[in-house]
Amino acid sequence: AQSVTQLDSQVPVFEEAPVELRCNYSSSVSVYLFWYVQYPNQGLQLLLKYLSGSTLVKGINGFEAEFNKSQTSFHLRKPSVHISDTAEYFCAVSDLDGNQFYFGTGTSLTVIP
Amino acid sequence: NAGVMQNPRHLVRRRGQEARLRCSPMKGHSHVYWYRQLPEEGLKFMVYLQKENIIDESGMPKERFSAEFPKEGPSILRIQQVVRGDSAAYFCASSPPRLSSGNTIYFGEGSWLTVV
Repeated sequence: AQSVTQLDSQVPVFEEAPVELRCNYSSSVSVYLFWYVQYPNQGLQLLLKYLSGSTLVKGINGFEAEFNKSQTSFHLRKPSVHISDTAEYFCAVSDLDGNQFYFGTGTSLTVIP
Repeated sequence: NAGVMQNPRHLVRRRGQEARLRCSPMKGHSHVYWYRQLPEEGLKFMVYLQKENIIDESGMPKERFSAEFPKEGPSILRIQQVVRGDSAAYFCASSPPRLSSGNTIYFGEGSWLTVV
């Protein structure tokens, strides 16, 4: 089985500052990794995903994430945040058979004007 | 191509009543997941279904909760004799038959259940 840990439950950051949201996973097998964003009172939208190949993955809205196999991490980054990036961010992992998705507990990003 | 459709978006039930939440997957998707999101908590897996078959229900509470995905019609999450602790957002997601090709799951907008 896999599991996902998002150590930071809340991350406040000033507008136009960089941000990193941390995600670590544990698994005994190869995995796919995902980041989802949830705006208030809405469902989850896919930001980006890592399947294979380049460890740096670019997603929508200027976000990117880097897969680090040795550290079992998949941290999400953005060089300059906007007010509109205020949302809940979820990291997720699935095994290659794809029978299940496991989500972290989420990180609430608040962008301060 | 319509996305995952959930209804109702908001549902209010009195303690002891039944709540039924419906989910229509995206076109071409045959697998449905249900997740529960409690205030200040993350997304908790409940059940994973394909048509007429429950694949994994390890996250379902042992009592009062059930889910189905019939051959025709939407998937239904049923909560009997609701209690205040059932108040939460319930999200449905759907996926194609196999995720192993790097497919992902797509979420609906959620159903917010309030038990009064």
